Amino acid sequence: NAGVTQTPKFQVLKTGQSMTLQCAQDMNHNSMYWYRQDPGMGLRLIYYSASEGTTDKGEVPNGYNVSRLNKREFSLRLESAAPSQTSVYFCASISMRLAGSNEQFFGPGTRLTVL
Amino acid sequence: ELKVEQNPLFLSMQEGKNYTIYCNYSTTSDRLYWYRQDPGKSLESLFVLLSNGAVKQEGRLMASLDTKARLSTLHITAAVHDLSATYFCAVVETSGSRLTFGEGTQLTVNP
Repeated sequence: NAGVTQTPKFQVLKTGQSMTLQCAQDMNHNSMYWYRQDPGMGLRLIYYSASEGTTDKGEVPNGYNVSRLNKREFSLRLESAAPSQTSVYFCASISMRLAGSNEQFFGPGTRLTVL
Repeated sequence: ELKVEQNPLFLSMQEGKNYTIYCNYSTTSDRLYWYRQDPGKSLESLFVLLSNGAVKQEGRLMASLDTKARLSTLHITAAVHDLSATYFCAVVETSGSRLTFGEGTQLTVNP
């Protein structure tokens, strides 16, 4: 099992450019999440998907869109990048079953800089 | 909206000492997570607490959950330098899927 994978690991964009961050998990988890972490700060929820076919806004959704392509994949898109979106982005997944493992797994992160 | 508060936010302690990190949350929850993050790294899952009175221990760390008080604690026993990291708690609301994090506690263990 690879767990949660994210691509790319690093990215530099110019203001106004667009890009998509990819996330995939191979643990058959139902729920997937996108967070951003700014220096010295906690994690803020951007969007989440409780199950395939559903997505919901988190605390800081403005400037982002998401797609839950299938059970495995959950992508985050920046349509017009702004310097305020410079951050480290983490994808995570969890099973949400009462039985079995309830552990949440995080991807390695994507370090995004917007100039 | 669910609020999760940790304290202290910064903790400097000597090796061999004991201390507790507190995590308070504002609405009912049926699961609480503790994570560790080293600088420049991703988050590592430490504990999942699923019921009132749940207690889990791993090495020098012990986590507990009191759902009635909406409080979880992470107790550090006889701290060692290797425990230096930032520790986060995160809470899922009852019957929900949204996972909300506390601000994190930056722990430094000094020799």
